[in-house]
Amino acid sequence: EVQLVQSGAEVKKPGESLKISCKGSGDSFTSYWIGWVRQMPGKGLEWMGIIYPGDSDTRYSPSLQGQVTISADKSISTAYLQWSSLKASDTAMYYCARQNGDKGGAFDIWGQGTMVTVSS
Amino acid sequence: DIQMTQSPSSLSASVGDRVTITCQASQDISNYLNWYQQKPGKAPKLLIYDTSNLETGVPSRFSGSGSGTDFTFTISSLQPEDIATYYCQQYNNPPYAFGQGTKLEIK
Repeated sequence: EVQLVQSGAEVKKPGESLKISCKGSGDSFTSYWIGWVRQMPGKGLEWMGIIYPGDSDTRYSPSLQGQVTISADKSISTAYLQWSSLKASDTAMYYCARQNGDKGGAFDIWGQGTMVTVSS
Repeated sequence: DIQMTQSPSSLSASVGDRVTITCQASQDISNYLNWYQQKPGKAPKLLIYDTSNLETGVPSRFSGSGSGTDFTFTISSLQPEDIATYYCQQYNNPPYAFGQGTKLEIK
């Protein structure tokens, strides 16, 4: 059974850097796009971007481009989301999810989420 | 970018009721529309993909329809375990935006 396991909760100060991870288990991690979705406290889902771990082709939401970096290491079936300088407004739950082209490009498998809290 | 507008934003219904949520895209997205369920404190769960295809294991009381810009999600007979927030998502062009969500409560 394919699973996505995310790294643990983080508490950071404004201006600090951070990299969170999403590790895939099971086969075919490099055959699917992996996406990142943000959910700010009490708010809805926001599509951030996707990466194809097979060749690291990446697409970003225009509203977030330049604010975050999505990357992957296919050798260890892991995708990453990173910030170089966090802001308080980055406080949110971050989910990774597998995008399945056989299912309308839907996110069919989700990680458990990583809560990022940015506070001075 | 394509904008997705869901309505209503919240809904209160009784067990056994038929519940309908609508999702409107700002431009034609063909049938590239997915629906998710999110319960409090949990990751979202895929219910329906490509407008009307039920994900494996999802109860048949859930259904979807529509095409182009107007889509509908229906629960034929509301059950207590259906209390959640529901989101539509387009997959026609990136960014693959979600709707703002519909919070469903039991009356």
